[in-house]
Amino acid sequence: QVQLVESGGGVVQPGRSLRLSCTASGFPFSRYGMHWVRQAPGKGLEWVAVMWHDGSQQYYGDSVRGRFTVYRDISKNTLYLQMNSLRGDDTAVYYCVRATELHSADFWGQGTLVTVSS
Amino acid sequence: QTVVTQEPSVSVSPGGTVTLTCGLSSGSVSTDYYPSWFQQTPGQAPRRLIYNTYTRSSGVPDRFAGSILGNRAALFITGAQADDECDYYCVLYMGNGIWVFGGGTRVTVL
Repeated sequence: QVQLVESGGGVVQPGRSLRLSCTASGFPFSRYGMHWVRQAPGKGLEWVAVMWHDGSQQYYGDSVRGRFTVYRDISKNTLYLQMNSLRGDDTAVYYCVRATELHSADFWGQGTLVTVSS
Repeated sequence: QTVVTQEPSVSVSPGGTVTLTCGLSSGSVSTDYYPSWFQQTPGQAPRRLIYNTYTRSSGVPDRFAGSILGNRAALFITGAQADDECDYYCVLYMGNGIWVFGGGTRVTVL
């Protein structure tokens, strides 16, 4: 069955970096686009980034563009989110999400919490 | 900057029908935005209910339906049940794989 498992969250100081991982199983990872979506405590969902199914393109939300980078390692079935210059408003649960046809998404990981605080 | 709007909260009686909508700060929502709807209960990851405006995800009861209503996407919940009480999010496709989520609607069944 499809599984997405995020890891790498934790407490980090403002201005520092953190890398999140999302390990996929149960489907051909290299053939699917993947999104990162985040949710600040008590707030709504915010789209963060997408990697196309062929790995050729990545796009980012306005609030993270230039600071975050999404990439993948197909040999490890893993999607990454490199987060630099972290700020307090980056504090959130970060989900990886499998993209589907018709510009939607079906499976979500359980999320990993990132807390940016001094 | 594109803003996707949803009602912050709505209430429905058990067994009743409620409509949630998803609009744009400027312009109309059409099927070209491929609206999807997600349901989220506290502490859980979201679950997809509807995609491509109308299509129910596998296992979603037919009490949930999606459509375009005027210039907005809509999610209809009929025969509301107690466990429908949670948060609902729409998301619109903006091209190149880019999404924008609405702010979410909290549904209360009372």
